[in-house]
Amino acid sequence: KAGVTQTPRYLIKTRGQQVTLSCSPISGHRSVSWYQQTPGQGLQFLFEYFSETQRNKGNFPGRFSGRQFSNSRSEMNVSTLELGDSALYLCASSLQDSYGYTFGSGTRLTVV
Amino acid sequence: DQQVKQNSPSLSVQEGRISILNCDYTNSMFDYFLWYKKYPAEGPTFLISISSIKDKNEDGRFTVFLNKSAKHLSLHIVPSQPGDSAVYFCAAADSGGSNYKLTFGKGTLLTVNP
Repeated sequence: KAGVTQTPRYLIKTRGQQVTLSCSPISGHRSVSWYQQTPGQGLQFLFEYFSETQRNKGNFPGRFSGRQFSNSRSEMNVSTLELGDSALYLCASSLQDSYGYTFGSGTRLTVV
Repeated sequence: DQQVKQNSPSLSVQEGRISILNCDYTNSMFDYFLWYKKYPAEGPTFLISISSIKDKNEDGRFTVFLNKSAKHLSLHIVPSQPGDSAVYFCAAADSGGSNYKLTFGKGTLLTVNP
């Protein structure tokens, strides 16, 4: 079966712009989470969605937002980009109430 | 406040020998632990997990040990193979908290030399 698909794979944006990243979970998986990976901080939890509802949010500024659609696909948005937002953004999906997350390959965002 | 710590940024072992990766946690609410492996340019891949009701879980060459009193877990890979060379992340969850969040360590780069 198809894995978690993230688009685009690579993105270069300018400071102050906004960006939207997309994630298609494994078919049947209704929980979608987003993580930010940076060299210094490892993987940091951004938010988790289930049935279009955000159930938890990490310690990130309000510039980071997300949503989930009725088909479980998810998007995350970062507004007013800063250089420090450069990172690998990973999406993961799982069955309901399972911690066995399957990760996508990520979107590498570079802010210049 | 780093709740999950992997104190060894890197580890190098010979092919065929045992690799032992360590992880410590501080949050006593964590009751479910996972190990992920990550190759460059790919997302993390789930390896093995353990619930706090157990102290050991095996899956093929991979065994995870949990010492709750010490808040310590370790991943043993026996025998190590060159294809095991990757970054290994330890992750923890509070399954009773319904927060649907994994807290990760910063990872250990394992290099298995032929």
